[in-house]
Amino acid sequence: AQTVTQSQPEMSVQEAETVTLSCTYDTSENNYYLFWYKQPPSRQMILVIRQEAYKQQNATENRFSVNFQKAAKSFSLKISDSQLGDTAMYFCAFMKHYGGSQGNLIFGKGTKLSVKP
Amino acid sequence: NAGVTQTPKFRILKIGQSMTLQCTQDMNHNYMYWYRQDPGMGLKLIYYSVGAGITDKGEVPNGYNVSRSTTEDFPLRLELAAPSQTSVYFCASSTPGGLAGGPYEQFFGPGTRLTVL
Repeated sequence: AQTVTQSQPEMSVQEAETVTLSCTYDTSENNYYLFWYKQPPSRQMILVIRQEAYKQQNATENRFSVNFQKAAKSFSLKISDSQLGDTAMYFCAFMKHYGGSQGNLIFGKGTKLSVKP
Repeated sequence: NAGVTQTPKFRILKIGQSMTLQCTQDMNHNYMYWYRQDPGMGLKLIYYSVGAGITDKGEVPNGYNVSRSTTEDFPLRLELAAPSQTSVYFCASSTPGGLAGGPYEQFFGPGTRLTVL
């Protein structure tokens, strides 16, 4: 069975600074995706960034980037130039895929990020 | 294109009552999911469906039932509501890789906050 662990229940950062959220996972699968989802106070789940396990290059999306360490089973999210709108819960999630089909998303417990002015 | 819609947004039930949470997607996605999110926790999978007429249990299916008679709709039925079912319920849909939205991205509805008293 796969597990996802987020060891930081809460974090805070000053506006315009950089923050890194940690995530580790456990799996025996070779083919999988990793995701970071953002959940603002509105409750809407929003995909932030996605990493395919077979790609060595770390994914980036504007101010968001990941540090994917496959051997260490680590998948951290870096937010640069933090903005007030980044205040939210952030969830790390794992999904295995096989033969064109997909497994289900397995979520960590989340990290509550507060961006302070 | 409304994406994934859920009704109702909020509901209070008495112990032993039943209700159906509605979920509709207009993206022609094959895969649909129901999650619950308890306070301070990540999302846990209740049921999922890979297409009309096909459903399967997730991690926490007890006390729930689903059906999938069309591609668009995936209702979740609660029979004999219990306080342990107080939670926020999310419906999501996705499509296999290669299509718009990127591979395996799950699109979430806005959630239903359910309280059982």
